[in-house]
Amino acid sequence: RKEVEQDPGPFNVPEGATVAFNCTYSNSASQSFFWYRQDCRKEPKLLMSVYSSGNEDGRFTAQLNRASQYISLLIRDSKLSDSATYLCAVNGQAGTALIFGKGTTLSVSS
Amino acid sequence: GAGVSQSPSNKVTEKGKDVELRCDPISGHTALYWYRQRLGQGLEFLIYFQGNSAPDKSGLPSDRFSAERTGESVSTLTIQRTQQEDSAVYLCASSSAGGAYEQYFGPGTRLTVT
Repeated sequence: RKEVEQDPGPFNVPEGATVAFNCTYSNSASQSFFWYRQDCRKEPKLLMSVYSSGNEDGRFTAQLNRASQYISLLIRDSKLSDSATYLCAVNGQAGTALIFGKGTTLSVSS
Repeated sequence: GAGVSQSPSNKVTEKGKDVELRCDPISGHTALYWYRQRLGQGLEFLIYFQGNSAPDKSGLPSDRFSAERTGESVSTLTIQRTQQEDSAVYLCASSSAGGAYEQYFGPGTRLTVT
């Protein structure tokens, strides 16, 4: 099993739709989880951290399921500007760098 | 405040030449990371510096790749005898502490080896 896995997509949705992505991780000792957004030919930008109790930032909701070892990102009322690749990141062993998934591509159309 | 900066933004080099890429982390960030991203691919971890600890070099693909960091400031990634497969965007990121903390990325250096 790969350390961090994501469905590459693409997810093609109309404006206003709700879409959810999952990201599974293999290290049960992982403590830190993040979602990043990467636009074409740009660097990844931090979208939000993922907290144990779940957290929301506007139209974006992140959840953590430790039992099944996955994190999720829910986007409500999708906008054209949400079109991007969404990367999840998980810390591995203590003191090591974050491990990134390969990303899920979202395309929102009008 | 200033984010992570990288230079050059673009580099075209001939196969066999050496290149040096530079990263200036966010001031005060003790951790610094280098990644490689080939076109259409995910992030490939290269190396990680944390304070005065020995760097984690486990991601370096060959001995042609090396990196240095002076204290908690600038880092340089050097690729010797470049090959065409080295063509990629090289991204640097920094974080306020170690691997459990969110990382902030620079704009990257786009390397093309001809």
